[in-house]
Amino acid sequence: GAVVSQHPSWVICKSGTSVKIECRSLDFQATTMFWYRQFPKQSLMLMATSNEGSKATYEQGVEKDKFLINHASLTLSTLTVTSAHPEDSSFYICSAREGGLALTDTQYFGPGTRLTVL
Amino acid sequence: AQSVTQLDSHVSVSEGTPVLLRCNYSSSYSPSLFWYVQHPNKGLQLLLKYTSAATLVKGINGFEAEFKKSETSFHLTKPSAHMSDAAEYFCVVAGAGSYQLTFGKGTKLSVIP
Repeated sequence: GAVVSQHPSWVICKSGTSVKIECRSLDFQATTMFWYRQFPKQSLMLMATSNEGSKATYEQGVEKDKFLINHASLTLSTLTVTSAHPEDSSFYICSAREGGLALTDTQYFGPGTRLTVL
Repeated sequence: AQSVTQLDSHVSVSEGTPVLLRCNYSSSYSPSLFWYVQHPNKGLQLLLKYTSAATLVKGINGFEAEFKKSETSFHLTKPSAHMSDAAEYFCVVAGAGSYQLTFGKGTKLSVIP
């Protein structure tokens, strides 16, 4: 149980283009999803928290207009990196937390998306 | 506020010998504590979780961790290392009533044949 998928697993794009990353909870309903960024050989940094049907809450220092998050359903959240630049190259990981009667602080992580901006 | 300190950035063990990955935490509340493992270019997999039940928590793949409140520690152990255990391990804390996780900086485990 508790599987989270991400698509694509890796993407290469040109500077100035936008890239959309999908995060899906496959076998549970996720009222809350999280987006993390991980630089090489470093820990995960929380970028934003999104609850289904409401606006995402961004961590300090994360540009909400650059990293657009949409959590349109209980099983899908998307992260769009707008006008990507080489410094946005990173490993992006999403996680999801079960809701309803199964509300828990355990987060289940997706496999990550490697973004390279040329 | 909460924080996590992983005391070793890199641990190297021989195959078949015990593994000890150290973690100390700080939390204003009764914390939930987790250990996650990350293999290269992969997402994080939950190894085990402590949530104020038994202080000795058993996880997957033979790993276990002991919550010691007096020492504010949550060290991860395994009796016998396997080559497939080579990965990055993260100690994580979530405050009571909070779903926001605070990650340690990670410990890279190398297993020598």
